[in-house]
Amino acid sequence: DTEVTQTPKHLVMGMTNKKSLKCEQHMGHRAMYWYKQKAKKPPELMFVYSYEKLSINESVPSRFSPECPNSSLLNLHLHALQPEDSALYLCASSQDLGFEQYFGPGTRLTVT
Amino acid sequence: GEDVEQSLFLSVREGDSSVINCTYTDSSSTYLYWYKQEPGAGLQLLTYIFSNMDMKQDQRLTVLLNKKDKHLSLRIADTQTGDSAIYFCAERLTGGFKTIFGAGTRLFVKA
Repeated sequence: DTEVTQTPKHLVMGMTNKKSLKCEQHMGHRAMYWYKQKAKKPPELMFVYSYEKLSINESVPSRFSPECPNSSLLNLHLHALQPEDSALYLCASSQDLGFEQYFGPGTRLTVT
Repeated sequence: GEDVEQSLFLSVREGDSSVINCTYTDSSSTYLYWYKQEPGAGLQLLTYIFSNMDMKQDQRLTVLLNKKDKHLSLRIADTQTGDSAIYFCAERLTGGFKTIFGAGTRLFVKA
C-alpha cells in the first residue's frame, strides 16, 4: 500500500477563519512533508517532519502551523490566511529523509 | 546552485514514443526522479534512478541518465491518451533532504 490520504479534498475559507488540513499514511514512513503548489508551477516545500520532529521550515509565514501528532498523521493548521495562499496543498511521505516521496492527492484551498 | 530545467510542452500522437528531457546543475545529485501529475491530482512517483546507473527500464518507461552532461530523459513507449499529464523531473542532492523539482513538462497526446 503506497497510499497517502488527505482531507478535505477542497476547502474554501475566509481570511478570519481557522481550519486544518489532514494527512495520513500507513506505510511506516518516518518522514512527512507539506508542499504548496500554485497553478502551472512545481511543488514548493514548506515543512519536513522526521520521526515526528520538525526538521525543515522553509521560512513559511506563521499563519501556517504544522503538527505531527504521531508517526502516521500530519496536520497543517491555517489561520488568518491571505487570498494569495490559495493553492493545492500536497502532503508526501518517505521511508526516511532523502528517500523517494509518495504524494497524497492534495487539498485545493481557496481563501476568499 | 540547484536548478532543474525542463521544456514546458510536448505533443505526440497516440502510439508514438514520447521523450521528455531534463537537465540539472548539481553534480552531487544522488537520486533523480520522474513524477506524473494529472489535472487536479497529486504527484505520482513513476520511476527513479540512482546516479551510478545510466539506464533503467520499467515496462513502457525507460530512463536514461548522462551524468557527464547532467541530462536525464524519460521515454514513454506506445504513448496513450491516458499518459497526458504534467511530468516533473526532480533531483535529490547528496547529504540533503530536499528534493528539487523542475517546472514540469506538459505532455499532450493526440488521438
